[in-house]
Amino acid sequence: DTGVSQDPRHKITKRGQNVTFRCDPISEHNRLYWYRQTLGQGPEFLTYFQNEAQLEKSRLLSDRFSAERPKGSFSTLEIQRTEQGDSAMYLCASSLGGAGAFQPQHFGDGTRLSIL
Amino acid sequence: DQQVKQNSPSLSVQEGRISILNCDYTNSMFDYFLWYKKYPAEGPTFLISISSIKDKNEDGRFTVFLNKSAKHLSLHIVPSQPGDSAVYFCAASGTGTASKLTFGTGTRLQVTL
Repeated sequence: DTGVSQDPRHKITKRGQNVTFRCDPISEHNRLYWYRQTLGQGPEFLTYFQNEAQLEKSRLLSDRFSAERPKGSFSTLEIQRTEQGDSAMYLCASSLGGAGAFQPQHFGDGTRLSIL
Repeated sequence: DQQVKQNSPSLSVQEGRISILNCDYTNSMFDYFLWYKKYPAEGPTFLISISSIKDKNEDGRFTVFLNKSAKHLSLHIVPSQPGDSAVYFCAASGTGTASKLTFGTGTRLQVTL
């Protein structure tokens, strides 16, 4: 069973640049989530996809952030015009949603973004 | 507004003894509660969950207790092992379509020899 895969693991960029992260969920999982974690805090929800549809976005997700899941499989998270405050660990999680028993979310190892 | 709180940032326990990690929540609409373990440079790993209609769930050395009237849950690890040393996050799942997780700030557990 292949887990959730995120790429890259680390990204260092200058303020004002655009960055894009990729997440490959567990293959049969139809739900995909993005979270952000800063030092000393727990992960905070950013957005959620069921198949290819983006169904919920947090108010944390400013208009500089955009996420896609074009074919209901992998997802990308893009941050435009990065700011110092965007420095964080970006975590992707997936789960199997629908009728039936509760299914927990499984996380990837994250992409650590550092803004210079 | 912190809906899920872990008031102890750290805990040290001797190997073989019981570790008890605590979590409080404010939103009575949460329907599932989960515990995740996180090692440095890795993502959170799911440990155990409990439905809001239950008061106890056990899986091997891990037991989660839920007290709905007090809006409190705890994770018991017995016996504690050095490999249990990690940061433990309590999380709650809402009733909306997203089932997004709301996390606490974590408790760092250190199991000493």
